[in-house]
Amino acid sequence: KQEVTQIPAALSVPEGENLVLNCSFTDSAIYNLQWFRQDPGKGLTSLLLIQSSQREQTSGRLNASLDKSSGRSTLYIAASQPGDSATYLCAVGKAAGNKLTFGGGTRVLVKP
Amino acid sequence: GAGVSQSPRYKVAKRGQDVALRCDPISGHVSLFWYQQALGQGPEFLTYFQNEAQLDKSGLPSDRFFAERPEGSVSTLKIQRTQQEDSAVYLCASSPRDPSRQPQHFGDGTRLSIL
Repeated sequence: KQEVTQIPAALSVPEGENLVLNCSFTDSAIYNLQWFRQDPGKGLTSLLLIQSSQREQTSGRLNASLDKSSGRSTLYIAASQPGDSATYLCAVGKAAGNKLTFGGGTRVLVKP
Repeated sequence: GAGVSQSPRYKVAKRGQDVALRCDPISGHVSLFWYQQALGQGPEFLTYFQNEAQLDKSGLPSDRFFAERPEGSVSTLKIQRTQQEDSAVYLCASSPRDPSRQPQHFGDGTRLSIL
């Protein structure tokens, strides 16, 4: 059974620092990996989707890497802003229907 | 609207009552998913539809949970004889034809509280 772990569970940084969020998974036979953002009381917003054949994806200040062999992904957020404060979730998808298995999330606070 | 719409946003029910949660996916999205999110945790998969066919219901916690999507668009998640442990946020997501290559788009969820 796939298990996804996110460390740390919570992170607080001053504005302007780079954020590094870690995600690990136990079964390397994944089809893709997604990073989501969740604001309080809201649903999930997809940030980046990395296919299993890819090593990384970038969007603006966000960069996510994927190392299937070691079962790890890292989300980098450059020059953090208070608006980046949210919970960040990673999820891995299997081929059949792509149901997602989520980690517990990292709660991020960026202080002005 | 252009996004996934869920209703109601909040539902309070007494233990033992039946509840029905509705999801309107993005127009044209073939795949639809239901997830359950307990407080402070990541979402957990419940069930998956491709059009009207329920292809995977392995995550439904008990036979009190039932989901349908009769015309391949709107979906309803029904919970019978609710129990306190059913209290959670229920999230619906949809994606285009090939869900493995497209991100899932989530609604804001229904927060269910069982008293």
